[in-house]
Amino acid sequence: QVQLVESGGGVVQPGRSLRLSCAASGISLSDYGMHWVRQAPGKGLEWVAVIWYDGSKKFYADSVKGRFTISRDNSKNTLYLQMNSLRAEDTAVYYCARGEYYETRQDLDYWGQGTLVTVSS
Amino acid sequence: DIQMTQSPSSLSASVGDRVTITCRASQDISNSLAWFQQKPGKAPKSLIYAASSFQSGVPSKFSGSGSGTDFTLTISSLQPEDFATYYCQQYNSYPYTFGQGTKLEIK
Repeated sequence: QVQLVESGGGVVQPGRSLRLSCAASGISLSDYGMHWVRQAPGKGLEWVAVIWYDGSKKFYADSVKGRFTISRDNSKNTLYLQMNSLRAEDTAVYYCARGEYYETRQDLDYWGQGTLVTVSS
Repeated sequence: DIQMTQSPSSLSASVGDRVTITCRASQDISNSLAWFQQKPGKAPKSLIYAASSFQSGVPSKFSGSGSGTDFTLTISSLQPEDFATYYCQQYNSYPYTFGQGTKLEIK
């Protein structure tokens, strides 16, 4: 059974940093691009970032570019999101999701349950 | 960036009804469109990919159509468990973008 489990969320002050993790079981992440998607309280879904299966390419939403870094450790079957210079508007539930099969674009078919990040003083 | 516009933003319907949600892309995305269902406090669930293909385990009451810029999701014979928020999403190019969502409520 495929499972993606996010962790690392919590309450953090503006300007501080946080690192999220997404651990996979039942699948090998090394064949797939992996994404982060977030959802602010009461709002819609916002795509955040993607990293290709081998880590060779990364793309970010303009809203997080220069502040967030997506990475992966295929030996640990784990995805990460390093979030620096956090702002109140980064408050959201953060989901990881599986995407591209190697370099072939495909939909986000498996999602984790999400981890809540609250940026507040 | 490709803008995705869903309509309506909310919809009231009764059990047994058939409803249609539309999604328009600001440029041609071929068939690189997915539909998701989300219930309160839960992660989105993938329903449809490639505009009209079912994810494994998704009942045939959900159907998708369209290509290019105009797409639809139709849900037939609504049941209580179908009342949720639905999102479209394009995966033709980065940044991937979502529609603003359609909240389907019981009348």
